[in-house]
Amino acid sequence: AQSVAQPEDQVNVAEGNPLTVKCTYSVSGNPYLFWYVQYPNRGLQFLLKYITGDNLVKGSYGFEAEFNKSQTSFHLKKPSALVSDSALYFCAVRPGSARQLTFGSGTQLTVLP
Amino acid sequence: GAGVSQSPSNKVTEKGKDVELRCDPISGHTALYWYRQRLGQGLEFLIYFQGNSAPDKSGLPSDRFSAERTGESVSTLTIQRTQQEDSAVYLCASSGTGGGNYGYTFGSGTRLTVV
Repeated sequence: AQSVAQPEDQVNVAEGNPLTVKCTYSVSGNPYLFWYVQYPNRGLQFLLKYITGDNLVKGSYGFEAEFNKSQTSFHLKKPSALVSDSALYFCAVRPGSARQLTFGSGTQLTVLP
Repeated sequence: GAGVSQSPSNKVTEKGKDVELRCDPISGHTALYWYRQRLGQGLEFLIYFQGNSAPDKSGLPSDRFSAERTGESVSTLTIQRTQQEDSAVYLCASSGTGGGNYGYTFGSGTRLTVV
């Protein structure tokens, strides 16, 4: 069965600094990887995905993520954080054979002004 | 519609009562998913519908939970004899024929509180 680990419940970063939100996964076969963001009292919004191709994928709001097969990781990054990036971030994975996503437990990102 | 619509947005019910949650997916989306998000926790898969195929019910936590979907339209999630541990946000998502390749579109959820 597939699983996703987000080892940090909380990440704090100063505005303007780079940010990283970590994600590792376990899945049979080639993984399909996703990042979602959840703002307070709102549903999850799709940020970016890795299906195949370049290991570095770019998504919404200046976020990017790097797929690392040897380390089974898919860390979310942004070169310069904004206060408005403060939200709950979820990593998700599915094997090619399945349709439903398995989500991590989420990481609360707080960007300090 | 333009997005995934869920109703009600909030529901408070007494322990032991039945509740019905509704999800209206994006028009043309063949796949529909229900997830549960308990306070401070990640998303827990409940059930998945794909067109007219038999649904994947592998995530339903007990036989008190059931869901229906007619064709590619509205879905309802029913919880019978609610318990306090059922309190959570219930999220619905839909996706197109590419399935999860293009990510899901989530609704804003129904916050269920069992008192």
